[in-house]
Amino acid sequence: AQSVSQHNHHVILSEAASLELGCNYSYGGTVNLFWYVQYPGQHLQLLLKYFSGDPLVKGIKGFEAEFIKSKFSFNLRKPSVQWSDTAEYFCAVNHNDYKLSFGAGTTVTVRA
Amino acid sequence: DAGITQSPRHKVTETGTPVTLRCHQTENHRYMYWYRQDPGHGLRLIHYSYGVKDTDKGEVSDGYSVSRSKTEDFLLTLESATSSQTSVYFCAIGETGNYGYTFGSGTRLTVV
Repeated sequence: AQSVSQHNHHVILSEAASLELGCNYSYGGTVNLFWYVQYPGQHLQLLLKYFSGDPLVKGIKGFEAEFIKSKFSFNLRKPSVQWSDTAEYFCAVNHNDYKLSFGAGTTVTVRA
Repeated sequence: DAGITQSPRHKVTETGTPVTLRCHQTENHRYMYWYRQDPGHGLRLIHYSYGVKDTDKGEVSDGYSVSRSKTEDFLLTLESATSSQTSVYFCAIGETGNYGYTFGSGTRLTVV
């Protein structure tokens, strides 16, 4: 079975700091990659997705992610975080079927 | 999100009782999914459906059953609830995994 690893369980940073969350997956074939965000008390919302083409993907709210095939990675970045980015972030992978496998999530706390 | 609703939003039940959670969609999507979310585990797939009366098991299906008699409704049943099934349950819909899912608002289930 495919596995998805998120390296950081909890990240704490100050406003205006840069954020990078790691995500690695185990499947070697063609994959589709996603980052979801879950704000406190809410459901998951799609931040961005990668299917093919430019490995640098831009999403909503100033987030971007880079697909590095050789490293089986899809790391999420944001140059300057805001207090409102406090949330839990999930990486997810699909490999040409209709199921998504999720990582365990990374909790991001942004201090004002 | 518009187009997908879960009920109930919160439920407390006693060990050994049956519980049914409902997911209703108005998007006419073929695929529907039930996930549970637990700290440190992210989201884990319980069951999914790829059409009316077509369902299959996910990675944590023990103790759960599902039914889909109509395109719009996907029911998750805990036949005899246990404390280990205390969790937040999310329903998701999508046409294919390639495009990601839309998630419902979740059901917080507590088994006492």
